Formats: sequence, C-alpha cells, structure tokens
Amino acid sequence: GNSVTQMEGPVTLSEEAFLTINCTYTATGYPSLFWYVQYPGEGLQLLLKATKADDKGSNKGFEATYRKETTSFHLEKGSVQVSDSAVYFCALSDTPQNTGFQKLVFGTGTRLLVSP
Amino acid sequence: DADVTQTPRNRITKTGKRIMLECSQTKGHDRMYWYRQDPGLGLRLIYYSFDVKDINKGEISDGYSVSRQAQAKFSLSLESAIPNQTALYFCATSRGRDNQPQHFGDGTRLSIL
Repeated sequence: GNSVTQMEGPVTLSEEAFLTINCTYTATGYPSLFWYVQYPGEGLQLLLKATKADDKGSNKGFEATYRKETTSFHLEKGSVQVSDSAVYFCALSDTPQNTGFQKLVFGTGTRLLVSP
Repeated sequence: DADVTQTPRNRITKTGKRIMLECSQTKGHDRMYWYRQDPGLGLRLIYYSFDVKDINKGEISDGYSVSRQAQAKFSLSLESAIPNQTALYFCATSRGRDNQPQHFGDGTRLSIL
C-alpha cells in the first residue's frame, strides 16, 4: 500500500540555521502531498501542500517541491526560529480502490528543536 | 473559538469502562475523521464519515465505534476500554472534495489504567 517515510528525529538546530526534513513516499497514481505541523499541546495544522509533480508548496518561509522522479517531498527553511520548534508530519492523499474516498497517509513525524 | 473542538482534553479511566470522546465543528465541513496518535507511529485513521448517513471504518476500527449525530458532531466511543487504547486522539474535518486539507482539533489525551 501507499506509505510515507520521514527522517527520524529529533532534529536539533540553532536559530537561523538551514533546515531540511526528508520525506519520501510510495504510491500508485498521483497523490497530493502535504506537510503538517504540530505545536506542543495542539492538533495538526496544514503547513503547505502540492498537488502535482514539480509543484512547490510554500508557507511561512517553509518550502517543499513535489519530485516524482525521486518520490520525495523534502521540507526546507532557510533560517529557522525558536518558534518553529514542533513536530512535522509529511502526508499523502490516498484513494483506496473502489471507495471514492481520499484519505491521508501520514509519516511518523519529525521533531524539530531550535535553540536560541 | 476553535473551529474543531474536542472534549474532554484529558481523561484518565480504568480498564473496562465505557468512554465517549466528542468532537464538534463550526467549519461547515461534510467530512469528519477520528485518528489516534502513538509515539513513533504517526496518525492512524479509526473511522471517517462523509456525512450524517455515511460512516466508514478506517485502518484500526476494532474496539471503537462512532456516531455522527449531526453534520457538526462526530463522537468516538470505546465500549470497554483497554490499556493499549491509551493514546492521543484527534478529530479532523474537511470539505467534501478531493485534495482538500484536513483541519484538526487540539486532541484528547486518553489514559487507560
């Protein structure tokens, strides 16, 4: 079945460092890809998305490009802040055969810790 | 006010008890979902509902049941709780079209002793 693999955390960075969180996926067809962020004590929030190959999603300084050739959707930010400390989830949309229902398949999450 | 509200936020109970987790939304979305989150496993789908008359099992529905009382309300029940149902539970909503993002509540932390 479809799946998402994320790098294990925690990822520990100093403020203003460059961030990359790797995400690769396995899917049939052409899923949409998402990054969600979970701040402490809160639910997941959509950070960005891309719906087709070569699309770049961006929001709040974060970017990710849908790479079909490498089946990847890596999250990047040029200069992280302490307030970016959170858990980041990569996800893809999955439409099981004959259901007409599109559901999300999540990776296991990557914790980011940014220190001053 | 939060768009997707879960109650309670925290609950501690004993094995064998019946528990209900509630979710209400003000977003006007047709689709609602229940997930559980466990360390190292990400989020796994328990049940989902397209609308009031349509409820479907997700990947881990055993031991759970749901009720969609109205478009805005979707509750999750554990009929006889067991310790391995200790987890963080999330409700989510989305519009009734493909490729739409899901909007999550803040979660219910459930501990079963």
